[in-house]
Amino acid sequence: EVQLVESGGGLVQPGESVTVSCVASGLTFGNAAVSWVRQAPGRGLEWLSAISGFGGDTYYADSVKGRFTISRDIAKNTWYLQMKYLRADDTAVYYCAHAPGGFGELSLDHWGQGTLVTVSS
Amino acid sequence: EILMTQSPATLSVSAGDRLTLSCRASQSISTNLAWYQQKPGQAPRLLIYGASTRATGIPARFSGSGSGTEFTLTISRLQADDFAVYYCQQYHMWPPVTFGGGTKVEIK
Repeated sequence: EVQLVESGGGLVQPGESVTVSCVASGLTFGNAAVSWVRQAPGRGLEWLSAISGFGGDTYYADSVKGRFTISRDIAKNTWYLQMKYLRADDTAVYYCAHAPGGFGELSLDHWGQGTLVTVSS
Repeated sequence: EILMTQSPATLSVSAGDRLTLSCRASQSISTNLAWYQQKPGQAPRLLIYGASTRATGIPARFSGSGSGTEFTLTISRLQADDFAVYYCQQYHMWPPVTFGGGTKVEIK
């Protein structure tokens, strides 16, 4: 069974940093990519970042470029999203998602359950 | 950035109805479009990719069509389990990957 499990969310002070993690099982990543997508309370989906399977190439939405960093530890089947200089409008559920077709076909066929990051003083 | 527009924002329908949801791209995206279903408190679920290919395990009552800038998701006979929010997503030209604002399908 394919599973993606996020962790690391919680209450964070404005201006602080947090890293959320995504552990995958039941998948052979190979050429697949992983994306991070967030959803603010009561809002729609916002794509944040993606990392490729083999080369580890990374891309970001302008809204988070320079503040967020995507990375991976293939040996641990774990992906990370490091978030810095957090603001109240970063409050959201953060999802990791798997794109089996890699960067050439970025539909997302498996998603984690999400982890809530709340930015508030 | 490619803007994705979904209409309507909300649809009130009855079980058994045939439902058509629309998604428009601000420029041509060929068939690089996916549809997702999201229920409250759950992650999105991939329904359709490549504009018309059903994802694994998706019932045949879900179908997608379109190319270029105009796309539709059709649910042939709405079941109680289908009441949810539906999002379209383009991955033709990115970053950024962009999603539509969603269409909420609710019970009439």
